Amino acid sequence: NAGVTQTPKFQVLKTGQSMTLQCAQDMNHEYMSWYRQDPGMGLRLIHYSVGAGITDQGEVPNGYNVSRSTTEDFPLRLLSAAPSQTSVYFCASSSGLAAYNEQFFGPGTRLTVL
Amino acid sequence: EDQVTQSPEALRLQEGESSSLNCSYTVSGLRGLFWYRQDPGKGPEFLFTLYSAGEEKEKERLKATLTKKESFLHITAPKPEDSATYLCAVGPSGTYKYIFGTGTRLKVLA
Repeated sequence: NAGVTQTPKFQVLKTGQSMTLQCAQDMNHEYMSWYRQDPGMGLRLIHYSVGAGITDQGEVPNGYNVSRSTTEDFPLRLLSAAPSQTSVYFCASSSGLAAYNEQFFGPGTRLTVL
Repeated sequence: EDQVTQSPEALRLQEGESSSLNCSYTVSGLRGLFWYRQDPGKGPEFLFTLYSAGEEKEKERLKATLTKKESFLHITAPKPEDSATYLCAVGPSGTYKYIFGTGTRLKVLA
């Protein structure tokens, strides 16, 4: 049982480039989410999903796209990277819906946009 | 507006010196309040969930309590390995979103 996995661990992009951050979980969780963590800002929700084919926006969705074609995978796409997207990105999953159960977090992806 | 505020931002303790971390929250309704521990360079690790005022949960040297407006994470006789950032989050009613505080950085000195 690997839990929540994220790839890559580190990434450097140039402004305007696009990329996809991968997230997978093997716990059959319905709820998955993406956060960014910046110094002094805490964890901020980017997008979340309550099941395959269902996604919605969080607090800071601009510049990011998501899709959920399977229960296991929830990739985060940066359409045109900007320096403001330099951050640490965490993916999480939860067995419940409606913010009732604890989340399990991946190890994070550290992204730098030059 | 739903909001979570943690204090202090940083805390230095001597080994064995007990203290408490505070998490104040403002939500229209509370589904759950969550405490996590985060070590440098790693993802948050779940500690506790509290659902109603008056509830308490314990794990080793940690004890979490909940009132209608705030939660405390009490650390009894801490050890250096308790050094980490402790995050508080709430799950407001009527939403699928979790809201996190900015965390308390705890350093326990030997």
